[in-house]
Amino acid sequence: EDQVTQSPEALRLQEGESSSLNCSYTVSGLRGLFWYRQDPGKGPEFLFTLYSAGEEKEKERLKATLTKKESFLHITAPKPEDSATYLCAARGWYGGATNKLIFGTGTLLAVQP
Amino acid sequence: EPEVTQTPSHQVTQMGQEVILRCVPISNHLYFYWYRQILGQKVEFLVSFYNNEISEKSEIFDDQFSVERPDGSNFTLKIRSTKLEDSAMYFCASARDTEAFFGQGTRLTVV
Repeated sequence: EDQVTQSPEALRLQEGESSSLNCSYTVSGLRGLFWYRQDPGKGPEFLFTLYSAGEEKEKERLKATLTKKESFLHITAPKPEDSATYLCAARGWYGGATNKLIFGTGTLLAVQP
Repeated sequence: EPEVTQTPSHQVTQMGQEVILRCVPISNHLYFYWYRQILGQKVEFLVSFYNNEISEKSEIFDDQFSVERPDGSNFTLKIRSTKLEDSAMYFCASARDTEAFFGQGTRLTVV
């Protein structure tokens, strides 16, 4: 069964303290690994898609990387406004016209000033 | 910037009543989805819709659920007879290809 696991469940950082979030996946024929940001009571906001091992993408203080079993979201010198839940999702090969995503439980990041 | 719009933002309904959740996807997108998130739990796939028909549905999406794209812009999720356990945030998403963009959600509370 396809599965996505994220760790840690929660992370508290001081402003400027860099760290990484982990996403492990077991998906048949990966067709994309996605990172989203979710603020309380809101919908997931798209951040990145990674398609193949070794690929990296960056946006401001965030960098996402991908291996054959894991993805990491690196946060460099975070600010309080980076506080949110970060969701990882994977899309496998399911055939037909479906792009359904399998989500992890997320990492709740709190950045203190 | 184009976005997915959902209405209402919050709906309270009596158990056994029918509800319709509405979504306006991004205009040039081809794939449409409903997901739900029970409080404190994962975002779960319900159904995908492509070329005017359901392309996949999860075990959650039983006979009580239905989806429609009645015109060129709206995409709806109907729950025929709501149960207490249907209480959740329901998210609509749309995609042109593989990258799905989500709406802000409808919080459904069944009492």
